[in-house]
Amino acid sequence: DGGITQSPKYLFRKEGQNVTLSCEQNLNHDAMYWYRQDPGQGLRLIYYSQIVNDFQKGDIAEGYSVSREKKESFPLTVTSAQKNPTAFYLCASSIGSGDTQYFGPGTRLTVL
Amino acid sequence: GEDVEQSLFLSVREGDSSVINCTYTDSSSTYLYWYKQEPGAGLQLLTYIFSNMDMKQDQRLTVLLNKKDKHLSLRIADTQTGDSAIYFCAVHVAGNMLTFGGGTRLMVKP
Repeated sequence: DGGITQSPKYLFRKEGQNVTLSCEQNLNHDAMYWYRQDPGQGLRLIYYSQIVNDFQKGDIAEGYSVSREKKESFPLTVTSAQKNPTAFYLCASSIGSGDTQYFGPGTRLTVL
Repeated sequence: GEDVEQSLFLSVREGDSSVINCTYTDSSSTYLYWYKQEPGAGLQLLTYIFSNMDMKQDQRLTVLLNKKDKHLSLRIADTQTGDSAIYFCAVHVAGNMLTFGGGTRLMVKP
């Protein structure tokens, strides 16, 4: 089955620790995205990548980092510099950067 | 840049029709989308409409596009409790990524 997977579904970390969220797709999509969603809020773009080995900051990139070493994978690291990291994180992919986006199931990160 | 607005909340009774509205600012939009998000889940693509269309129907879903007023709507006929979710509209303008609205929470009362 083709699709986007995110792991883990729930993640708990202590304050001050870096944590990496996984996003994998087997849709052969070039573009991938990370969004943050807070309770009752819409989506805010953290980072996006239009092609392997290239990525750009979105609207709220501070305190986050990404890599795109493989077409299938776009991991997001939430660093200790992120002031309020507790949120629901959504990964998406599309054929190209302007095309229909398909979403993964999300990872809920709670920082204790 | 593109700005996409939605009302925050809609409540309907089971069996009634729901109409979720979305307005956008860029008249050069090409594709317009509706996504559904159930609690604790990712966004599921429901339907989309190309900008040269006025209407698209898919079973219980009807999408209406008024390009003059830059207004998009999603009508759900015979709304069921399983339709309770957050609905996002998204707009694509050529050369740019999708811009998402803030989402409308639909509550269906039995």
